Amino acid sequence: SQQGEEDPQALSIQEGENATMNCSYKTSINNLQWYRQNSGRGLVHLILIRSNEREKHSGRLRVTLDTSKKSSSLLITASRAADTASYFCATDINDYKLSFGAGTTVTVRA
Amino acid sequence: DAGVIQSPRHEVTEMGQEVTLRCKPISGHNSLFWYRQTMMRGLELLIYFNNNVPIDDSGMPEDRFSAKMPNASFSTLKIQPSEPRDSAVYFCASSELGQGAGEQYFGPGTRLTVT
Repeated sequence: SQQGEEDPQALSIQEGENATMNCSYKTSINNLQWYRQNSGRGLVHLILIRSNEREKHSGRLRVTLDTSKKSSSLLITASRAADTASYFCATDINDYKLSFGAGTTVTVRA
Repeated sequence: DAGVIQSPRHEVTEMGQEVTLRCKPISGHNSLFWYRQTMMRGLELLIYFNNNVPIDDSGMPEDRFSAKMPNASFSTLKIQPSEPRDSAVYFCASSELGQGAGEQYFGPGTRLTVT
């Protein structure tokens, strides 16, 4: 079963705009990760945020974590066509297992 | 580093045939994962190896599925006999232990079609 659920399921934006997607989860976590999957490719790790962190940045990515609400958000600023992909949140179930959500499909229009 | 290598990238086979998927993890990584991705069920963990030893195979759907890791640089996932419902993309991923459930590095996947 999936621990994390992304919202929205799909997002279409204009190049240059920001994209925000959310992830909600059910049980307590040690960390939450975001991955990107381009069509026909494997998942690529984007960022990991630990349960004692509230916000983390990596380039044009900003991730927030609210453990009281069991939710996280991923913001992509100044989107580019190359950002077109599916984005997945993953939460740690134990010390080796990740549970992936169903993903948010982002389309960036030129 | 070449990253996680999987072969073949695409496999089309007939129901009842044996299928073997291969994976070479990143050198130095001691954790290896096999996942299956479908539209209906998303990304599912099939089996987890640590230091070449299967630790968690609770995600292996049936006895038709088996996985081995004879050494630190090679793993196989075998389906025998294959069925149309096994059609999916199979990913291998590796990571370094000692960081909890940390960052995993995925291979490009094998797209399996069973007719």
